Amino acid sequence: EDQVTQSPEALRLQEGESSSLNCSYTVSGLRGLFWYRQDPGKGPEFLFTLYSAGEEKEKERLKATLTKKESFLHITAPKPEDSATYLCAVKGSGGYNKLIFGAGTRLAVHP
Amino acid sequence: DTGVSQDPRHKITKRGQNVTFRCDPISEHNRLYWYRQTLGQGPEFLTYFQNEAQLEKSRLLSDRFSAERPKGSFSTLEIQRTEQGDSAMYLCASSPGLAGISDTQYFGPGTRLTVL
Repeated sequence: EDQVTQSPEALRLQEGESSSLNCSYTVSGLRGLFWYRQDPGKGPEFLFTLYSAGEEKEKERLKATLTKKESFLHITAPKPEDSATYLCAVKGSGGYNKLIFGAGTRLAVHP
Repeated sequence: DTGVSQDPRHKITKRGQNVTFRCDPISEHNRLYWYRQTLGQGPEFLTYFQNEAQLEKSRLLSDRFSAERPKGSFSTLEIQRTEQGDSAMYLCASSPGLAGISDTQYFGPGTRLTVL
């Protein structure tokens, strides 16, 4: 069964303190690993898609990387506006196009 | 591009009542999805449409839940005889339905359901 585990559950950083979020997955036939950002009371906002081990993508202070068993979301010099829940999801070969999500990492960046 | 829209944004109902939610996908997106999210958890897949055809339903979707996409445009999700356990955020997403593996799902703002 496809499964996604995110760690840590919550992370508190000082502004400018870089860190990484982890997403471990088991999936039959990975057809994409997705990162989303979710603000309280809102729907997930798309950040990145990764397809194959070794792939990396960047956007402002965020960088996502992928291996055969996990993905990392690196946050460089975070700002308070980066505070949100970051969700990881996978699309496997079983089923049509559904995403299997992890529980997310709640990030709080303090000035 | 106005994004995915959902209506209503909030719904409070009493146990046993029926509720219906609407989702308008991004125009020209032929794939539409419904997810449910409870506090502290990631979204859980409920069902998927390609155009007007409902191609996949989760085991989570009991017979009290029904979804339609009558003309391949907007979709409705109805919950009959609501229970307190149905309280959650109901999220709709759409994707363009591109061939191959590049088919990103874009989410709407969600409908927050509270069952008293």
